[in-house]
Amino acid sequence: GENVEQHPSTLSVQEGDSAVIKCTYSDSASNYFPWYKQELGKRPQLIIDIRSNVGEKKDQRIAVTLNKTAKHFSLHITETQPEDSAVYFCAASTGGGNKLTFGTGTQLKVEL
Amino acid sequence: EAQVTQNPRYLITVTGKKLTVTCSQNMNHEYMSWYRQDPGLGLRQIYYSMNVEVTDKGDVPEGYKVSRKEKRNFPLILESPSPNQTSLYFCASGGDYEQYFGPGTRLTVT
Repeated sequence: GENVEQHPSTLSVQEGDSAVIKCTYSDSASNYFPWYKQELGKRPQLIIDIRSNVGEKKDQRIAVTLNKTAKHFSLHITETQPEDSAVYFCAASTGGGNKLTFGTGTQLKVEL
Repeated sequence: EAQVTQNPRYLITVTGKKLTVTCSQNMNHEYMSWYRQDPGLGLRQIYYSMNVEVTDKGDVPEGYKVSRKEKRNFPLILESPSPNQTSLYFCASGGDYEQYFGPGTRLTVT
C-alpha cells in the first residue's frame, strides 16, 4: 500500500519567515495530494490540495509543489503569522479524497 | 449548518465492553471514513464507505466494524475493545476530494 513520509516533525520559525514542509510518497499511481491543518484540540481542516496534472498551486500565502518524477510534494507558507502555529499533515491518494494515507505530521510553531 | 457530528465526544470504558461511536453528516456526501489519530503516527484510516451498503477496509481495520445503512450515518463499532484501541477517533465525509472531519471522539479503554 501507499506510504507517506513527512519531514520535519517539528519546525520553529520567526514571525514573517517562510516555512517549508516536505513529503514523499511510495505509490506512483497516487494522483491527489491534500494538506490538512489541525489546531490544538480541533479537527483537521483542508488548507490546499493539488492533483497530479498540476505542478504548483498557490492560495495567498500558501503554496504546494509536486514533483511526480521524484515522488515528493511540499507545502510552502510565506510571511508566517502566529495563527499559522498548528500541526500540518500531508496525504496522498490514488482515488481522490476518500482513501487518504497521511504523513505523521509537522508541528509548526511561529514565534514572535 | 453543514457539519459532521460524532457522539460521544469522550468515552472511558473497560476491556471487552462493546461500544458504538456514531457519526452523522448533513451534506449528502457519498463518501464517509473513520480515522484514528495516535501521537507520532498521524491519521490512519480504519474503514471507508463509498455509498450506502458499500464499505471497505482501510489501513488498520482489525478490531473494528462499520455499517452504512443510511447515507447520513456511519457508526464505528468496537465489539470487544482492548487497551491498544485507546485513541482519538475522527469521522470524515466528503465528495471526490475535500474531506470534512468531525470533532473527534477521545476513547480510553482500561
